[in-house]
Amino acid sequence: QVQLVESGGGLVKPGGSLRLSCAASGLTFSDFYMTWIRRAPGKELQWISYIDPSGTSANYADSVKGRFTISRDNAKNSLYLQLSSLTDEDTGVYYCARGHLGLEVWGQGTTVFVSS
Amino acid sequence: EIVLTQSPGTLSLSPGDGATLSCRASQSVTRSQLAWYQQKPGQTPRLLFWDGSNRGTGIPDRFSGSGSGTDFTLTISRLEPEDFAVYFCHQYGASPFTFGPGTKVDIK
Repeated sequence: QVQLVESGGGLVKPGGSLRLSCAASGLTFSDFYMTWIRRAPGKELQWISYIDPSGTSANYADSVKGRFTISRDNAKNSLYLQLSSLTDEDTGVYYCARGHLGLEVWGQGTTVFVSS
Repeated sequence: EIVLTQSPGTLSLSPGDGATLSCRASQSVTRSQLAWYQQKPGQTPRLLFWDGSNRGTGIPDRFSGSGSGTDFTLTISRLEPEDFAVYFCHQYGASPFTFGPGTKVDIK
């Protein structure tokens, strides 16, 4: 059974940084594109970024470009999202998902709260 | 950015009823690259359809997806108790990929 488990969320001050992780199991991780999505309180889902299976190519939403970095370690079956220069608009639940064109499996999410 | 609008916001129906959910895009979605998801409280989204009408793994045939261009439809032929949930659409034809706000199907 495919499982994605996010971790690394928490409370961070504006301007701060955080690294989110997504541990994958039950799949050949290195075969798949992976995506990060978030949901801010009271808002709809927002696509953040995806990365190709090899980790050499990525795409970002304009709102996070230059501040967030997606990466992966296929040997550890893990996906990462480095968040920096955080603002209160980055508050929300962050999900990782398998794929990038149609997201077939989602994690339960990890919460990031940006506040002074 | 392609904005997705879903209607209605809420659909109140009874088990056995049919349901028609709409997802309208502000621009044409390339190659019908639009997905539908179902989400229940406390659960992760479940992929129902990709590329407009391709059924996801294990999705019952009472669900159907259709549409192209700017207009897409999710149809549930006869609602089962487990179908009461939130449904949202997602376009991945043009970056930035975007999601609709969702339609809640609840029990009348």
